[in-house]
Amino acid sequence: AQSVTQLDSHVSVSEGTPVLLRCNYSSSYSPSLFWYVQHPNKGLQLLLKYTSAATLVKGINGFEAEFKKSETSFHLTKPSAHMSDAAEYFCVVSVYTNAGKSTFGDGTTLTVKP
Amino acid sequence: DGGITQSPKYLFRKEGQNVTLSCEQNLNHDAMYWYRQDPGQGLRLIYYSQIVNDFQKGDIAEGYSVSREKKESFPLTVTSAQKNPTAFYLCASSQGITQPQHFGDGTRLSIL
Repeated sequence: AQSVTQLDSHVSVSEGTPVLLRCNYSSSYSPSLFWYVQHPNKGLQLLLKYTSAATLVKGINGFEAEFKKSETSFHLTKPSAHMSDAAEYFCVVSVYTNAGKSTFGDGTTLTVKP
Repeated sequence: DGGITQSPKYLFRKEGQNVTLSCEQNLNHDAMYWYRQDPGQGLRLIYYSQIVNDFQKGDIAEGYSVSREKKESFPLTVTSAQKNPTAFYLCASSQGITQPQHFGDGTRLSIL
């Protein structure tokens, strides 16, 4: 079985300040982990992925995430928020044994204040 | 450019009517997926297909049907049995089970 919990449904930051979006996962096997971003009325776009290589993963638009097995976490960070980062963010876990079914978190809405 | 095309962008259904949402990909991916997204919620899996001529039910398959006759196409039919079809529907594809999914821009379905 696998599950994912996004610990904050809403996060608000000021432009130029750091962003932290938190994600915890549960998996019986080695997971693949992803972060996606969704802008209004659009599909999801991949930000970054972890697939058992380096634990610190760098993605697009200055985002990065660190896989911490001991804490079962995969938090998303960005040093300096931009107005264009305002969107919905989803953490996703996928396990090879689960017949192709990924599990999506409920999402975190990021608001960026000027 | 490679990608996933969903059509139409907006769709309206009358009571008792079946409607079909189109999803086409030119990424040469084997796996394709349909998700439903309700306001303020995450994605719920309706159906998925790992290979042509084969598909499996996801978590909320009741009231929906799919076909996978071609690798690049995975249409979703919302039947009259689906009593609450108003939602945003997303199609995705991936190279393999644990690979990232590529998403279309969605179809928003409403009831007339």
